[in-house]
Amino acid sequence: DIVMTQSPDSLAVSLGERATINCKSSHSLLDSSNNKNFLAWYQQKPRQAPKLFFYWASTRESGVPDRFSGSGSGTDFTLTISSVQAEDVADYYCQQYFDTPYTFGRGTKLEIK
Amino acid sequence: EVQVVESGGGLVQPGRSLRLSCSASGFMFADYGLNWFRQAPGKGLEWVGYMRSKATLGTTEYAASVQGRFTISRDDSNNIAYLQMNGLKIEDTAVYFCAGKHFEVWGQGTLVTVSS
Repeated sequence: DIVMTQSPDSLAVSLGERATINCKSSHSLLDSSNNKNFLAWYQQKPRQAPKLFFYWASTRESGVPDRFSGSGSGTDFTLTISSVQAEDVADYYCQQYFDTPYTFGRGTKLEIK
Repeated sequence: EVQVVESGGGLVQPGRSLRLSCSASGFMFADYGLNWFRQAPGKGLEWVGYMRSKATLGTTEYAASVQGRFTISRDDSNNIAYLQMNGLKIEDTAVYFCAGKHFEVWGQGTLVTVSS
């Protein structure tokens, strides 16, 4: 199974500051046939379903604010919030869909400092 | 509106069965694979299984933790998918989500509690 190592477990950031969440996979998620990374990012707010934020590592889902960005390739990926807002408080998960079983990182809890 | 809605959760004793439903609307359900995920109380997300579209053979894959006990099926004529859960264990207690249109559309989930 592909292991997804996400860090940090929690993150406290002041409003307007930058937040960075890292995700490392135990196997490359890059498909050389199409040059796509099979990596998704989700936001989950309390008592809500996860919401897809990025797929192919860096393709932003419709409606996701552009202060959010996804980057990386191969085994190392990053979710960045350029200027954290109060409504960004949530858990964030990375997920690989390169191969089954699809696996998630343990999640990062983002809080406001 | 593009959405999926799960139903069928509840309290069940260990060893018993339960069938969850995932009803889709607003998109071409038959064109896409369908995933089930779960989230135990206070824990992270776990993939449960996947069923491909009929156009890609409609085959299924499952997490090792549910292989042989859980079965995914789909009724494309009614835009519904099912998760048949047999031999339930206490550790299957979780909110179960279905996700359609790849991972784009998630329901609110349905809580399954396995307890004696």
